[in-house]
Formats: sequence, structure tokens, C-alpha cells
Amino acid sequence: AQSVTQPDIHITVSEGASLELRCNYSYGATPYLFWYVQSPGQGLQLLLKYFSGDTLVQGIKGFEAEFKRSQSSFNLRKPSVHWSDAAEYFCAVGENNQGGKLIFGQGTELSVKP
Amino acid sequence: EPEVTQTPSHQVTQMGQEVILRCVPISNHLYFYWYRQILGQKVEFLVSFYNNEISEKSEIFDDQFSVERPDGSNFTLKIRSTKLEDSAMYFCASSGQAVNTEAFFGQGTRLTVV
Repeated sequence: AQSVTQPDIHITVSEGASLELRCNYSYGATPYLFWYVQSPGQGLQLLLKYFSGDTLVQGIKGFEAEFKRSQSSFNLRKPSVHWSDAAEYFCAVGENNQGGKLIFGQGTELSVKP
Repeated sequence: EPEVTQTPSHQVTQMGQEVILRCVPISNHLYFYWYRQILGQKVEFLVSFYNNEISEKSEIFDDQFSVERPDGSNFTLKIRSTKLEDSAMYFCASSGQAVNTEAFFGQGTRLTVV
């Protein structure tokens, strides 16, 4: 069955430190991969997406993610975290490249300490 | 920037009552979705809608749920007889016809069944 796993429920990093949020997926076909961010009281905002091509994708707010087919992973990274990055981050796999049905991971809550 | 709009932002209803959650998708989008997120759990797909009919639904989307596009702009989710376990954040999303695109999410409606 298709699934997405985010092993870390909660991560705390210091402001200015680097960040990596893990995501592993199980999907039989070509995966279409997404990272969304949800700030308190807000909706889901797309950070970045991977459909094909270069396995390192750049997103908004200085985030990037790397697709590794051999590891079934799509980890999100940021070299220097800002206090405003505190939010919940969701990895998702899509069934097609037209924004179709998404399967989400459990989410990782990021806290940033000064 | 175009956005998906959901109303109301918070709805409290009594168990057994009918509730309608409303969404205005992005105007030139053709695919519409509802997702829900029970507090502390992952975002789950409920239903997708295209060309005035349901294209896919999850096992959560039972006979108590229905969707409608009553006019050219609104997309609604109706829960006929709410249960306590329907309490959740409900997200509407839409996507266009282009390839390599993503779903755009609304801010969500928090439904509380008492």
C-alpha cells in the first residue's frame, strides 16, 4: 500500500542551525513528491515539489529537498533556520503530476529556539 | 495571487445536525478535493471531484458525506448527520489542467461536533 513516513514527530533546532526533516515513501509507480508547511491557524502551503529531472529541488523560503530513489526518500533541508520557520511540515506523495490525490505523512513539528 | 477560500473558518455543531462546508477554488481550476485532519493525526484524502462528478473517494467518505458544485464558483462538502468523530480540520484544495502542477489548499474549516 502507498504510504509516507516521517520518522520525527517533533524536532527542535537553534536559530541559525541547519535542518533536515526526513521523509520516506512507499509507492509502486513513479512518485510525485511534495513538501507542505502549515503554520498555526494557517492552511497548507507548498514548499517544493518533485516530478522528474534533477533530484535536488529548490523551494521557497530557502528550502531544498533531494529525491533518492534507492532510499525511497525525499528529505527536506535548510542550511540556516529562522525563527519564522517554526511550523508543521508535511511530506506527501501524489498519484499524478496534476495535483491529484495526495497521501500525507504524519507531519514533523519544528520548534526553533533562539 | 489566486487562492482557495474556505468558509467558515470555525464551525460548531451539535451531534446529528447537518453541516455544509464551503470552498471557493481557484477560478480556472478543474479538479477539486476535500481532505481532513483530525487533531494530532495526518491529513487524509476524502474525495476528488472533476467534471461535476466524484472521480475518487476514500473509505472515510461514506454515505454521510456528499460534495457538490452548486454553481460555477463554489464547492461544498456536506455531512448529513454529524458524529463526534467528524470533529476535524477540513481542507479544500484545487488544481488545474497543466502538468507538473500541484494542489492549492485553503486555510481550512475547523469543525467541532459537540
